[in-house]
Amino acid sequence: KQEVTQIPAALSVPEGENLVLNCSFTDSAIYNLQWFRQDPGKGLTSLLLIQSSQREQTSGRLNASLDKSSGRSTLYIAASQPGDSATYLCAVEYGNKLVFGAGTILRVKS
Amino acid sequence: DAGVIQSPRHEVTEMGQEVTLRCKPISGHNSLFWYRQTMMRGLELLIYFNNNVPIDDSGMPEDRFSAKMPNASFSTLKIQPSEPRDSAVYFCASNPRTGADTGELFFGEGSRLTVL
Repeated sequence: KQEVTQIPAALSVPEGENLVLNCSFTDSAIYNLQWFRQDPGKGLTSLLLIQSSQREQTSGRLNASLDKSSGRSTLYIAASQPGDSATYLCAVEYGNKLVFGAGTILRVKS
Repeated sequence: DAGVIQSPRHEVTEMGQEVTLRCKPISGHNSLFWYRQTMMRGLELLIYFNNNVPIDDSGMPEDRFSAKMPNASFSTLKIQPSEPRDSAVYFCASNPRTGADTGELFFGEGSRLTVL
């Protein structure tokens, strides 16, 4: 069964801290992996997409890594800001189907 | 582009009523996805279309659910009859799908359905 797990379920940090969100998946035969952000009452916004042949992607203060062999991905957020507060979801693509994790609720305190 | 547009944003209805949710994908995108999000089950794929053709509807929970895509710019998800356990946020997403994989997915704001 293809499962995606995200740890921690929730995280609260003071502004300015660097932080890491974790995602693990059971089936390593992936096409790609995406990290999304979801604000309350809103849809999902794609942050980073890592193809299966890549090891990492960067966008601004965000860096996502992918280790297919161990079935893991991390999302690193540098110098966190209150505006980063949201739910972050990891999604793994198998063929043409995205399997989502339950998400990590992030709160950055000012 | 306005992004993926969904309507209605909120719907409250009584058990047994028919519900129709609508989606307009981003122009030029040839794949469209319907997802359902609940606290208990997270995000679940219900059905997806490629070039207006349903490709995988294995996530549709039961025969009460149906989806159509009559043209490249419009899709509907219908629930008939609705039940309280259908209460959820229903998302539509689209992507240009230039290769074998899904690629970056663009989501609408969602339709929050409450069935009393």
